[in-house]
Amino acid sequence: DAGVIQSPRHEVTEMGQEVTLRCKPISGHNSLFWYRQTMMRGLELLIYFNNNVPIDDSGMPEDRFSAKMPNASFSTLKIQPSEPRDSAVYFCASSLGTGGRKKLFFGSGTQLSVL
Amino acid sequence: DAKTTQPTSMDCAEGRAANLPCNHSTISGNEYVYWYRQIHSQGPQYIIHGLKNNETNEMASLIITEDRKSSTLILPHATLRDTAVYYCTDSGAGSYQLTFGKGTKLSVIP
Repeated sequence: DAGVIQSPRHEVTEMGQEVTLRCKPISGHNSLFWYRQTMMRGLELLIYFNNNVPIDDSGMPEDRFSAKMPNASFSTLKIQPSEPRDSAVYFCASSLGTGGRKKLFFGSGTQLSVL
Repeated sequence: DAKTTQPTSMDCAEGRAANLPCNHSTISGNEYVYWYRQIHSQGPQYIIHGLKNNETNEMASLIITEDRKSSTLILPHATLRDTAVYYCTDSGAGSYQLTFGKGTKLSVIP
């Protein structure tokens, strides 16, 4: 298996522009997570999907952030409009099952820079 | 806020065992202990997890104290490729949440 695939690997944009990050989870996994990592705040959970349904989006910073999972093999995280403080590495992770066996598989991340 | 406390950094000589400690001061009876690591510019990687008993897999060993308030991750023969930030956390069986703290930056020295 190719693992969790994220694109793009790097994104540089200007403040106010729309940014879309993409994720393909591991085939057969039914849980998907979006995390954000910064030096100041470390790894933060943004949103969690189970069987394509958003279960917890309490970590989404504000209304400028939205995430979708139209099917089991694809998810997007959109920021509109983007701001410099959104600059971070965004990780997607997937896992099989729920609850205690939290063996998450992370993608390589998208390094976002908002100028 | 992180649920666990770890040393900020550690060094280990190549070929020697690396022992990384973690304090789980608020862990409850049904919460598992998890260890992940993050090599520079990559996503976190699962290493091992356990509930009460010590565990071993191809990557590492996990020692959990009887009161479960602390755990130790052991890399038996550290290599340069083990240089990474190591995160410990704990989470209940019914929870999907994994909260990562600052972790321990392990440097394996030739």
